[in-house]
Amino acid sequence: EIVLTQSPDFQSVTPKEKVTITCRASQSTGTSLHWYQQKPDQSPKLLIKYASQSISGVPSRFSGSGSGTDFTLTINSLEAEDAATYYCHQTSSFQYTFGQGTKLEIK
Amino acid sequence: EVQLLESGGGLVQPGGSLRLSCAASGFTFSNYAMSWLRQAPGKGLEWVSVITNGGSTYYADSVKGRFTISRDNSKSTVYLQMHSLRDEDTALYYCAKDQWEFFYWGQGTLVTVSS
Repeated sequence: EIVLTQSPDFQSVTPKEKVTITCRASQSTGTSLHWYQQKPDQSPKLLIKYASQSISGVPSRFSGSGSGTDFTLTINSLEAEDAATYYCHQTSSFQYTFGQGTKLEIK
Repeated sequence: EVQLLESGGGLVQPGGSLRLSCAASGFTFSNYAMSWLRQAPGKGLEWVSVITNGGSTYYADSVKGRFTISRDNSKSTVYLQMHSLRDEDTALYYCAKDQWEFFYWGQGTLVTVSS
């Protein structure tokens, strides 16, 4: 099983700040790594697929990069509505796994 | 518009069984894999199972041998039959369209395993 470790677990940030969340895999996932945003009492929302591919309808301030074992989700110019928990997810091999989540709080 | 509507959740005793359903609409159901994922209260996301459009099935180790995923293309519905339920199976169960990246999710159905 591929273990995904996100950092940080929690971050308190101010609007317009740039945020970087990292996801490290215990073995290579290639680029089969996706990012989700989940707000309280809502279903997860796909933000980035295959490490860096944008998703229709997702604001352009969200971007992803990386390959192999190290991945990054970047949020440029954070907005208040970005308060949420963010998860990385690998579909390189069964068992598919998720990171533990990164909770973003807006100051 | 793609819609996924889960049902069948509820309170069940440890060792009991439950069958979840996910009714899909807005796309050609038979052409797509369908997945189940879950989220324990206050916890992160966990992938549970997937059934491909061809009927191949895959399971998380945590549910293998206890859960069975199936589909009825005539009803555009995917099922998750759950047996030998444990306390740790308590979660909100989501169905999602596709096998790899999940753009469409249902709202979830809550399964509570408790005596």
